[in-house]
Amino acid sequence: NAGVTQTPKFRILKIGQSMTLQCTQDMNHNYMYWYRQDPGMGLKLIYYSVGAGITDKGEVPNGYNVSRSTTEDFPLRLELAAPSQTSVYFCASLPLSGANVLTFGAGSRLTVL
Amino acid sequence: QKEVEQNSGPLSVPEGAIASLNCTYSDRVSQSFFWYRQYSGKSPELIMSIYSNGDKEDGRFTAQLNKASQYVSLLIRDSQPSDSATYLCAVPPPDGQNFVFGPGTRLSVLP
Repeated sequence: NAGVTQTPKFRILKIGQSMTLQCTQDMNHNYMYWYRQDPGMGLKLIYYSVGAGITDKGEVPNGYNVSRSTTEDFPLRLELAAPSQTSVYFCASLPLSGANVLTFGAGSRLTVL
Repeated sequence: QKEVEQNSGPLSVPEGAIASLNCTYSDRVSQSFFWYRQYSGKSPELIMSIYSNGDKEDGRFTAQLNKASQYVSLLIRDSQPSDSATYLCAVPPPDGQNFVFGPGTRLSVLP
C-alpha cells in the first residue's frame, strides 16, 4: 500500500510554462484534494473531487485545472505559470466512509522564476 | 464560509513544560476536529481527533473541545525537542468535501 504518491517532488518552471503535478492513491478513496502551502502559512484548498468525473473549486483555484478520470488519479495542471504559484503542493485523499482522516502525499515543491 | 483561527506563533517552551495550542472556529455545526503535526519540509500527519465535548488523552497529548465556545485546544505534556513542529487545526464539514485548516502554530521546544 503506497498511500498517496505525488510526482515530481521538486520542479523549477519559467514564467509562462505549463506543467502537471501527478497524484495517485491506491486506497480506493473517493475524495481527493489539492492544497498549496506558502511559506509559514496553512493549507489552502485549490480543487477537490468527490469521485471520478466530479471536480469542484476550492478557495484558490485561479491558474489551475484538474481532472478526475479514474478513482486513483487526480492530476493538477498549471497553465501559464506565474511567480505567485511558487509554493508546496500537497495532494490528499479521504475515504467515503469510516475514519474522517486525510492521507497526504509527500508534497511537490514548485518554484516559478 | 468556515474560518479557523489559531494562536499566533511561534510558541517557545522549555523541554519538559506543557505546550498549549489553541484553535477557534466559526462554523457552529462542526462536529469533529483534528490536530495535524507538520515537521519542516514534510507533509502533515494526524496526531489527534476529537468529536465530543471534554478532554481526550493520547499519551502526552490531550485535546480539549468546547463546542459552545467553538474552541478546541491541544496540550502537550512533558514537551520534547522532537515536538518542535507546526501544529495545524483542521475542521471537516459533515459531507467531507472541504476541510478547512487553520494557519498553524509553530512550536519550538528548547532543550
